[in-house]
Amino acid sequence: DAMVIQNPRYQVTQFGKPVTLSCSQTLNHNVMYWYQQKSSQAPKLLFHYYDKDFNNEADTPDNFQSRRPNTSFCFLDIRSPGLGDAAMYLCATMIMRRGRPMNTEAFFGQGTRLTVV
Amino acid sequence: DAKTTQPNSMESNEEEPVHLPCNHSTISGTDYIHWYRQLPSQGPEYVIHGLTSNVNNRMASLAIAEDRKSSTLILHRATLRDAAVYYCILRDGNAGGTSYGKLTFGQGTILTVHP
Repeated sequence: DAMVIQNPRYQVTQFGKPVTLSCSQTLNHNVMYWYQQKSSQAPKLLFHYYDKDFNNEADTPDNFQSRRPNTSFCFLDIRSPGLGDAAMYLCATMIMRRGRPMNTEAFFGQGTRLTVV
Repeated sequence: DAKTTQPNSMESNEEEPVHLPCNHSTISGTDYIHWYRQLPSQGPEYVIHGLTSNVNNRMASLAIAEDRKSSTLILHRATLRDAAVYYCILRDGNAGGTSYGKLTFGQGTILTVHP
């Protein structure tokens, strides 16, 4: 059974039209990550949540926002998608406890492939 | 983030062992060595990880050099379903660190398996 679920698998949006991608998890993991993966490139971290604490990577464009209303759900909002934002967007989760060695693995969803027309 | 170096691509024949190398000469004492793989059009999948000792699981084995500056992922009998991009990643295991255990992907090794 899928533990990290991303919907939809494929999303087509218009240039400049806001779009939201969703991720849900059944693992009760406290950390959630969003990655962007462009064609033939490695995944690139955009931001992550540690519980409710939001952490933005320094080079993540302002056009990308995120919301985490509860442990299970996390959303990626692209306010004004450009052609350069076409990519696979990956959600991942991990369990982590402060003060304890981080000897755990991440679980990834299948990704949402975003096309901008 | 400490970096890893992997060959761009490797090839193998089905049912033969595959040894995927990874160099990480700047590894720190708290870095775990993680391996993930990504099949076409899918999200990355965890394969194995280790700190100092060699590790085995149902998918693969991880051999870590004594000085920890390199490691090798071993697939004991490659199948066509093992064709994927394999990523070697150093992950900070420091419980008090601010990296939040994030995984920073390099370019990985494209493994092709021939029938």
